[in-house]
Amino acid sequence: QVQLQASGPGLVKPSETLSLTCTVSGGSINSYYWSWIRQPPGKGLEWIGFISYSGSTNYNPSLRSRVTISVDASDNQLSLKVNSLTAADTAFYYCARMLDSGYGPFADYWGQGTLVTVSS
Amino acid sequence: QSALTQPASVSGSPGQSITISCTGTSSDIGVYKCVSWYQQHPGKAPKLMIYDVSSRPSGVSNRFSGSKSGNTASLTISGLQPEDEADYYCTSYTITRTVVFGGGTKVTVL
Repeated sequence: QVQLQASGPGLVKPSETLSLTCTVSGGSINSYYWSWIRQPPGKGLEWIGFISYSGSTNYNPSLRSRVTISVDASDNQLSLKVNSLTAADTAFYYCARMLDSGYGPFADYWGQGTLVTVSS
Repeated sequence: QSALTQPASVSGSPGQSITISCTGTSSDIGVYKCVSWYQQHPGKAPKLMIYDVSSRPSGVSNRFSGSKSGNTASLTISGLQPEDEADYYCTSYTITRTVVFGGGTKVTVL
């Protein structure tokens, strides 16, 4: 059973850079796509971006200029960096494994999410 | 990219059937079979309920079914049960190789 666990600082200051890590256990990070998705408290889900096993990335156009997703296959970890933070970036951040059955990717396994609050 | 459009809330009595719509455009739902639906209970991570428009993952009740017509996808829950009360989100792949979510629908079991 694949398990994903996101971890990060919890509280970051405005204008700083957020760094989150997602550790994958119970399976290899290779041969899959991996996504970050966020959810402001009490609001809906927003897709941030995904990375393929080959390292190619796709990002939400609204976040593309501030976001970087990477994979460390040796540690079976997925990472997210978001710079120039504002209060609007306060959210639960989820990592998810993406499957592609041939019609396009969808998230089949999700981590529990980690809350990031942007405040001075 | 614009979010897919879902009704804010849908309700039904136990045993009834309800349908949640998800409207996109000819750049996402209209051209791809890659529509998925997620269930989210309060304080929990989303759970995959439907993928590829109408396929169910192993372990998901057959009371959940999906369909698509043109730019609109739908999730139907038949034989509504109290544990079905949750938020539901649709997603679609897009022609720009991105993923877009719907705004979410709160399902209430009366």
